[in-house]
Amino acid sequence: EPEVTQTPSHQVTQMGQEVILRCVPISNHLYFYWYRQILGQKVEFLVSFYNNEISEKSEIFDDQFSVERPDGSNFTLKIRSTKLEDSAMYFCASSDLKGPGGQETQYFGPGTRLLVL
Amino acid sequence: AQTVTQSQPEMSVQEAETVTLSCTYDTSENNYYLFWYKQPPSRQMILVIRQEAYKQQNATENRFSVNFQKAAKSFSLKISDSQLGDTAMYFCAFMAPSGNTPLVFGKGTRLSVIA
Repeated sequence: EPEVTQTPSHQVTQMGQEVILRCVPISNHLYFYWYRQILGQKVEFLVSFYNNEISEKSEIFDDQFSVERPDGSNFTLKIRSTKLEDSAMYFCASSDLKGPGGQETQYFGPGTRLLVL
Repeated sequence: AQTVTQSQPEMSVQEAETVTLSCTYDTSENNYYLFWYKQPPSRQMILVIRQEAYKQQNATENRFSVNFQKAAKSFSLKISDSQLGDTAMYFCAFMAPSGNTPLVFGKGTRLSVIA
């Protein structure tokens, strides 16, 4: 069964460093998302992406964040200068075009656990 | 803006018994999707079940079923014949149907299945 994959599974970085989190969405999906989950809290939306541009972003997704689809398979989240409060689990998700609403179900990757020291 | 409320931070159930997790939501939309996701200790987000608001029939997936009450904006998850592997955080989520819209999650319910 197709699945969303994410690399790395864990990343430890120093405050102020740049990190790139990578995702490979399900191959026939066209809508992509990043969410984050701070330990013990609920999952929060960061950004959605379609047709090579951002569709929607939350207030969390400030100028330190960027997303890119550098080729036909990868979808990346870059944090330019990490802060302690960026420590969280980052989930990538993708969805297809089925259903009356255009897209129906978002499938999540296993997540990248980011720790900023 | 849509909100999702899960009023039970923690629940426990004996193995083989049935448990119901509650979820309510607030929206002005008429058509939308509702989901339950499971997050085991590995922290991966796994889709359990989904419900389209325009469908009156409650969704079922094997031991998992929902009680969708649109007028009450209630979407509870029933797990029958609970198994140890059901131990996890369960998140209720809402999605509006238009465009590339994000999921809105509740705070989750931690379910423990006891042998």
